[in-house]
Amino acid sequence: QKEVEQNSGPLSVPEGAIASLNCTYSDRGSQSFFWYRQYSGKSPELIMSIYSNGDKEDGRFTAQLNKASQYVSLLIRDSQPSDSATYLCAFRSYNTDKLIFGTGTRLQVFP
Amino acid sequence: EAGVVQSPRYKIIEKKQPVAFWCNPISGHNTLYWYLQNLGQGPELLIRYENEEAVDDSQLPKDRFSAERLKGVDSTLKIQPAELGDSAVYLCASSLEQGSTYNEQFFGPGTRLTVL
Repeated sequence: QKEVEQNSGPLSVPEGAIASLNCTYSDRGSQSFFWYRQYSGKSPELIMSIYSNGDKEDGRFTAQLNKASQYVSLLIRDSQPSDSATYLCAFRSYNTDKLIFGTGTRLQVFP
Repeated sequence: EAGVVQSPRYKIIEKKQPVAFWCNPISGHNTLYWYLQNLGQGPELLIRYENEEAVDDSQLPKDRFSAERLKGVDSTLKIQPAELGDSAVYLCASSLEQGSTYNEQFFGPGTRLTVL
C-alpha cells in the first residue's frame, strides 16, 4: 500500500463548477496534512494546511479531513481555468516526521 | 517577504561531471530541506537541516551526493560525479521549525538538472 494515494487524473471540470480532489494516507498517527498546487514547470506552492477533523475554508478552497477514515480532500469552488494544475497531497509522518507526498492529481478546468 | 531562493534554475551537464545547487531559505527559517522531484512524482526528501545540523540524511546517496549548511542559513547540494539517472528537479524548502505540528514548508523555484 502506498503511503499516500491520489487519483492521477486528469480531472476535468467546467469553469464555475466545484472540483473535488481526494487523498488517502496510511499513517494513522499523522496530525498534519497539506495541499500543494504545482503548475507545469513550477515548484509546489502551499495552498492549504489542516490539522483537525472537519472542514477548513480559505477563499474558494475547502480542505476536509477525516482521520478515522484516513482521508483528506480539497474542494475548489467556482473553478477557474487558472486553477488548472497538479494538486499534491502531503502528510507529516508520525514516525519519521517527514513530509510524505502523493503523486498528485492533475486538474483541468475548461472554459 | 522574500521566498526561498535557488540557483541556478537550469543546469545541463555531461555525465561524470560535478554539479552544485545553492539555496537561501526564507529569513528566520531554521529548517532547510532538499528534495528531489522526478516527472510525475511528488517531491522526495534528500536531507533536512536544523540550523547547521543535518538531522535526516537517510535518503541522500552519500557515495555521490553531499550537502552543507555551514552558517545555518544558505545551503549547497553537490553531486559528484553526476549520472544520467540524476536528471530531475532539485527543490529546496524551508520552515520555521520542524518540531511543531503546524510546521509548514515553502518551496523555492527549483533547479532542473539534465545529465547528458
